[in-house]
Amino acid sequence: QVQLQESGPGLVKPSETLSLTCTVSSVSITSYYWNWIRQPPGKGLEWIGHIHYSGGTNYNPSLKSRVTISVDSSKKQFSLKLTSVTAADTAMYYCARDFDGSGRILNFWGQGTLLTVSS
Amino acid sequence: DIQMTQSPSSLSASLGDRVTITCRASQNIGSYLNWYQHKPGKAPNLLIYAASSLQSGVPSRFSGSGSGTDFTLTISGLQPEDFATYYCQQSYSTLLTFGGGTKVEIK
Repeated sequence: QVQLQESGPGLVKPSETLSLTCTVSSVSITSYYWNWIRQPPGKGLEWIGHIHYSGGTNYNPSLKSRVTISVDSSKKQFSLKLTSVTAADTAMYYCARDFDGSGRILNFWGQGTLLTVSS
Repeated sequence: DIQMTQSPSSLSASLGDRVTITCRASQNIGSYLNWYQHKPGKAPNLLIYAASSLQSGVPSRFSGSGSGTDFTLTISGLQPEDFATYYCQQSYSTLLTFGGGTKVEIK
């Protein structure tokens, strides 16, 4: 069974860079698309972007100028960096793998990590 | 962006009830519609993909229908473990978008 686990600092100051890592277990990362999704408190889900194991990326245009997703196959990890964070970036952040290699159906998810932006 | 609108945003139902949740897309998305179940503190779970295909391991009381812009998730015979929030998501566009969610609560 594919397992994903998010990790991060929990608290980031405004204007700083958010860095999160997703560690993948029980399967090779050299296949499929690897996604980041977030959910602000009391709101719905927002897709942030994804990376193909080969390195190709797609980002949500609303975040594109601030987002970088990268992959480290040797560590079976992929990462999210979001620059110039504000309180609006406070959210539960989830990583997920796609279902069929299309990058568009999210089959395996982590349980999420809460990221708070506050001084 | 393709906007996804779910209704209702919440509902109260009893064990054994038949529950229907609606999702509407802002443009024609064919059958590129997926449904997820999300419980607090848990990872979201894919229930239905391609509008009506049941994901492996998901109970048959869950079903999906629709195409174009209007879609439905039906739970036939609500069970205690089904109380959760349900989200639709379009996979027509590279920019994935979700509905606002429907919280199913115990009456």
